[in-house]
Amino acid sequence: EIVMTQSPATLSVSPGERATLSCRASQSVSSNLAWYQQKPGQAPRLLIYGASTRATGIPARFSGSGSGTEFTLTISSLQSEDFAVYYCQQYNNWPLVFGPGTKVDIK
Amino acid sequence: QVQLVESGGGVVQPGGSLRLSCAASGFSFSSYGMHWVRQAPGKGLEWVAFIRYDGSNKYYADSVKGRFTISRDNSKNTLYLQMNSLRVEDTALYYCAKGSWEVLDYWGQGTLVTVSS
Repeated sequence: EIVMTQSPATLSVSPGERATLSCRASQSVSSNLAWYQQKPGQAPRLLIYGASTRATGIPARFSGSGSGTEFTLTISSLQSEDFAVYYCQQYNNWPLVFGPGTKVDIK
Repeated sequence: QVQLVESGGGVVQPGGSLRLSCAASGFSFSSYGMHWVRQAPGKGLEWVAFIRYDGSNKYYADSVKGRFTISRDNSKNTLYLQMNSLRVEDTALYYCAKGSWEVLDYWGQGTLVTVSS
C-alpha cells in the first residue's frame, strides 16, 4: 500500500498571503494525485486532479504541481473561505489512499 | 445538479451489522463508479470501497476487506455498503462519493455509524 504524507500538519497564514502545501508519496504515483478541501461540518470538495487540473468551478488561485512522489498545492492569495483542511489522495494504485491532511488556519 | 444522500447509519453493538444506502440523482448513475469513504470523529479521510459502474469490479481497504460489501442497484440509482462484524474502530461518518475514474468528484453529506456497547 502506498503511504501518503503531508506537510506541514498546520499552516498559519494571513489573509492575502500565499500558502504552499506539500504531499509526498512513498512510491511513484505518476500524476494520479488529487487534492480535496474540507471545511468544518462539511463534506470534502474536489479541488485538483491529475496533479494540476482544477476541478469545475475551482478558482484560479488554487494550483497544483508535481509528479512522481512530490506534489504541491499552492493557494496564491488566501481568502477567508480558504481556511480549511486540505487532503491529497493518490489514485495510481489500489487501495486509494488519502494523506493525513494539512490544516490551514488564520495567522 | 448531482445529489448524493446517505442513510442507514446508527448505533450498533460490536459484532453487529448495518447496511448503508446512498441515493443518487442529477447524473447518469449507471455510467459511473462509486466510492465509500469514512472519517472517524476528529480524524482524516479513509477510503473504504469502490464499485465500477456495472458492478463488475470492487475494491476494498484492507481494514474492511472480508467484513464490508459494496453493491449497487442501477435500476434504483442506489449504492449500498453492507457492514458486518462491526468494530469500535469502524465508528465514523460514512460518505458516498461519485467517481470520475478514481477521483471523487462529488460527495454526499455522510451518515454517522457508531459502534459501541
